[in-house]
Amino acid sequence: DIQMTQSPSSLSASVGDRVTITCRASQSISRYLNWYQQKPGKAPKVLIYAASSLQSGVPSRFSGSGSGTDFTLTISSLQPEDFATYYCHQSYSTPYAFGQGTKLEIK
Amino acid sequence: QITLKESGPTLVKPTQTLTLTCTFSGFSLSTSGVSVGWIRQPPGKALEWLALIYWDDDNRYSPSLRTRLTITKDTSKNQVVLTMTNMDPVDTGTYYCAHRSGQFAFDPWGQGTLVTVSS
Repeated sequence: DIQMTQSPSSLSASVGDRVTITCRASQSISRYLNWYQQKPGKAPKVLIYAASSLQSGVPSRFSGSGSGTDFTLTISSLQPEDFATYYCHQSYSTPYAFGQGTKLEIK
Repeated sequence: QITLKESGPTLVKPTQTLTLTCTFSGFSLSTSGVSVGWIRQPPGKALEWLALIYWDDDNRYSPSLRTRLTITKDTSKNQVVLTMTNMDPVDTGTYYCAHRSGQFAFDPWGQGTLVTVSS
């Protein structure tokens, strides 16, 4: 089974900061890596799919990169509405796996 | 517009069987490449993938829960049903269903339904 290791588990940042979250797969998953944002009490929403494709309607300050085993989600300039928890997800093969999550908090 | 909504009991007793229904609109689960998945989230914890059913009735399960899970679909009713046997308090959490087209992200998700396992 493929394991997903996400880091950091939490992050404090300020509005306007550039933030990077990483996700590592235990084996190659090509570009089958997706990123979600989840706010308290809400369902996750996809931000990035196929490692670097921006979901329709998602602000361009979000970007994804990587292939194989190492991936990153970058927020170029944090906005107040970006403080949430972020998850990576591999859809290369079942059993699918999510990362442990990164809680992004206001500094 | 694709929408999904989970329904089922909010409280189940230990050892009981949980049956959750995902009712959806805006797509057909008989369309090639389409699938519906179930994902759960214990309070304050990470997402955990449970099961997936494809347009062609193929299905996949989490290995750790395989013996307890069954996923089925009723295309005519636009529903996917997940059953989980022998419920335990550790199964407490929010259960989500989600649509997927192709092999990438789950999108969109239902609002989720909180299931509490307690005697």
